[in-house]
Amino acid sequence: AQSVTQLGSHVSVSEGALVLLRCNYSSSVPPYLFWYVQYPNQGLQLLLKYTSAATLVKGINGFEAEFKKSETSFHLTKPSAHMSDAAEYFCAVSPGDDKIIFGKGTRLHILP
Amino acid sequence: DAGVTQSPTHLIKTRGQQVTLRCSPKSGHDTVSWYQQALGQGPQFIFQYYEEEERQRGNFPDRFSGHQFPNYSSELNVNALLLGDSALYLCASSLLQAGALYGYTFGSGTRLTVV
Repeated sequence: AQSVTQLGSHVSVSEGALVLLRCNYSSSVPPYLFWYVQYPNQGLQLLLKYTSAATLVKGINGFEAEFKKSETSFHLTKPSAHMSDAAEYFCAVSPGDDKIIFGKGTRLHILP
Repeated sequence: DAGVTQSPTHLIKTRGQQVTLRCSPKSGHDTVSWYQQALGQGPQFIFQYYEEEERQRGNFPDRFSGHQFPNYSSELNVNALLLGDSALYLCASSLLQAGALYGYTFGSGTRLTVV
């Protein structure tokens, strides 16, 4: 079964610093991969998705992720963190049956 | 354009009781998926409804059941509530022909507390 593993349940970065949230996937076939963000008391919002069109995927709010098949990774990055980026981030995979499987999430803290 | 609407936003129930949660999908969407998000965990897939039928199901007991109406809205029912059912329940809508690949739209969820 396909799954994703997010490394680090909590990540803290200083405002203006690089954001790096790690995600590794387990899949026997090329997967569809996603990053979602969840702000407090809100639902999930799609940040970006990988659909095999390009390995470097750009999303909203300055985030991007790179699909690396050799490392089975899909890490999320942002060059410069902003206070408003503080939220829970979920890596997810779709096995292609219209179902999305989520990781356990990484809470991003932004330090002033 | 209204997104996904869930009701109620918060709910407190007693062990053994039954609960019904409701979801109105985004306009133009025909598929509704339900997820359970326990505290500190990622959302877990419960089931998905399309054309008023359960299309696929996750690893949840039969105490969890659902329904989809002709207007595409959906209900999630949980019987014989357990303390462990306390969670945020998320509804997501999509267009089946587009698939999850083109993104789900999530509601803000219903926070269920079982005491």
